[in-house]
Amino acid sequence: QKEVEQDPGPLSVPEGAIVSLNCTYSNSAFQYFMWYRQYSRKGPELLMYTYSSGNKEDGRFTAQVDKSSKYISLFIRDSQPSDSATYLCAMSETGGYQKVTFGTGTKLQVIP
Amino acid sequence: DTEVTQTPKHLVMGMTNKKSLKCEQHMGHRAMYWYKQKAKKPPELMFVYSYEKLSINESVPSRFSPECPNSSLLNLHLHALQPEDSALYLCASSQDGARQEGYTFGSGTRLTVV
Repeated sequence: QKEVEQDPGPLSVPEGAIVSLNCTYSNSAFQYFMWYRQYSRKGPELLMYTYSSGNKEDGRFTAQVDKSSKYISLFIRDSQPSDSATYLCAMSETGGYQKVTFGTGTKLQVIP
Repeated sequence: DTEVTQTPKHLVMGMTNKKSLKCEQHMGHRAMYWYKQKAKKPPELMFVYSYEKLSINESVPSRFSPECPNSSLLNLHLHALQPEDSALYLCASSQDGARQEGYTFGSGTRLTVV
């Protein structure tokens, strides 16, 4: 079993839809959770980071962490064609420079 | 300045060549990273520098040699690479504090070994 599992997609949605992207993990020591967006042939861009369980909102994006279920989600409201990208979840046990474990990424296509 | 700048953007090199990748950031971040990313795969950690000292080497072959001349610069020296080393090489930086607040990645160098 991989340490972090993420549905690779592709996920196709119409413009304006609510998108739900998810990751499950097996390491109960993970405390920090991040979501990155990566456009084709570009480096990943940090969207959100959270610590422990709970929700965090930033504009059209909401990140949720459920540590009891070892499950994290990223919701995108009012999706736009510019949201078409690969979304990577990432997690780590500690802060600082310690190793971050990435999911394999979900490719999202928002159709106008 | 909230960017990580990588040069060159593209590089084609032969298996006997020596080349270097460069990375620069001016955000005051004290941790800098090299990642390798193959198509449709997540980034794989290669090296971590913390306060200009090599802190993590993920058992990377010696044909890859990192260097951190100062707190803003990170180099990756390449020698005698193999075609399977062709990939997107990403540099990243972060605060080296107690909390994990994510990385700032550069746009990468797309390396082709012929």
